[in-house]
Amino acid sequence: GAGVSQSPSNKVTEKGKDVELRCDPISGHTALYWYRQSLGQGLEFLIYFQGNSAPDKSGLPSDRFSAERTGGSVSTLTIQRTQQEDSAVYLCASSLSTYEQYFGPGTRLTVT
Amino acid sequence: DQQVKQNSPSLSVQEGRISILNCDYTNSMFDYFLWYKKYPAEGPTFLISISSIKDKNEDGRFTVFLNKSAKHLSLHIVPSQPGDSAVYFCAASRSGNQGGKLIFGQGTELSVKP
Repeated sequence: GAGVSQSPSNKVTEKGKDVELRCDPISGHTALYWYRQSLGQGLEFLIYFQGNSAPDKSGLPSDRFSAERTGGSVSTLTIQRTQQEDSAVYLCASSLSTYEQYFGPGTRLTVT
Repeated sequence: DQQVKQNSPSLSVQEGRISILNCDYTNSMFDYFLWYKKYPAEGPTFLISISSIKDKNEDGRFTVFLNKSAKHLSLHIVPSQPGDSAVYFCAASRSGNQGGKLIFGQGTELSVKP
């Protein structure tokens, strides 16, 4: 079946602009996660949605970052007033259980 | 603080030999551990996992060992194949109200030479 998809695959933006990154999880997966991988680093947890529960936002690095999940499916990660340190690969994952997560290909964000 | 550490950024092995990738963690509340494999320009793919109630889990050429007293886990790949060349991440999770968020190590780049 279809895996996790993310769009766009690449995004170049100017410092100070807002960006929106989209994630389509695997159908039926109740949990959705956002991570980011900066150059040479491991994956850093950002935010987690589970069903209708309030999201776990504990990993968001600043209030410029926000995410929503509409209808328990598609999710959008929004970064306002982008900074150069926001440049990274943003990865979305979904899962049915709480452990094995299935990742999308990521969105490579470059802030110039 | 880095709760999950992979101290070797890279590893090179000969085809057919064993690859051993190591991972250390500091949080004794972690109770589930996973290994992911990542090729360039792709998302990580799940490889193998282990619960803290076990000390070994095997799946084909891949075996994960967990030493809770040492807070150490390792992934053994035998025999190694050139197609195994990728970045390997270990990850840890807590059950309970921490949800399913994974804490990842920095990754180890494995190169298997023919």
